Amino acid sequence: AQTVTQSQPEMSVQEAETVTLSCTYDTSESNYYLFWYKQPPSRQMILVIRQEAYKQQNATENRFSVNFQKAAKSFSLKISDSQLGDTAMYFCAFMKQVTSGTYKYIFGTGTRLKVLA
Amino acid sequence: DTAVSQTPKYLVTQMGNDKSIKCEQNLGHDTMYWYKQDSKKFLKIMFSYNNKELIINETVPNRFSPKSPDKAHLNLHINSLELGDSAVYFCASSQAVKYVYEQYFGPGTRLTVT
Repeated sequence: AQTVTQSQPEMSVQEAETVTLSCTYDTSESNYYLFWYKQPPSRQMILVIRQEAYKQQNATENRFSVNFQKAAKSFSLKISDSQLGDTAMYFCAFMKQVTSGTYKYIFGTGTRLKVLA
Repeated sequence: DTAVSQTPKYLVTQMGNDKSIKCEQNLGHDTMYWYKQDSKKFLKIMFSYNNKELIINETVPNRFSPKSPDKAHLNLHINSLELGDSAVYFCASSQAVKYVYEQYFGPGTRLTVT
């Protein structure tokens, strides 16, 4: 069974600094997708970034980037120039296909990030 | 313009009652999901429907029954509510189009059972 582990329950970072959130996963699949979602206090789940396992290049979205190490089954999220609005729970998620058109997402336990002014 | 909507956003009820949560998506997606987020923020899939067909049914008490009248709607009915059912329930939808697989989440329904 697939598992997703986020070993840092809580982290804090000073505004404008850089922080890295860790995620490891376990799977025997060769084709899958990985995501980072953000859940601010409003509780809305917001997609931050996605990575296709078949792509070697690390995904980047503005201040957010990932370090995807497929052999090590590691998928960390780096937030540069942290802003107060980045304060949220961050969830790592693994996705695999179940049937044609249906995908199963397995979420990690989350990392609570607090950006300090 | 809301992509995935849920009603109600808050639900307070007593043990033993039956309640429903409704979900609608206007994204044209074929697949919809229900997740439960417990007090420790752990997010776990409960059900998934693809074109009104049940695809994923995780280990969920049979007091929980999803219903999909059409592919834009996925409702969750809960019978004989228990204290342990208190959680936030999220609806989500997705569509595999041009290698875009992310899920779009609704705002969540906070269910409190007293």
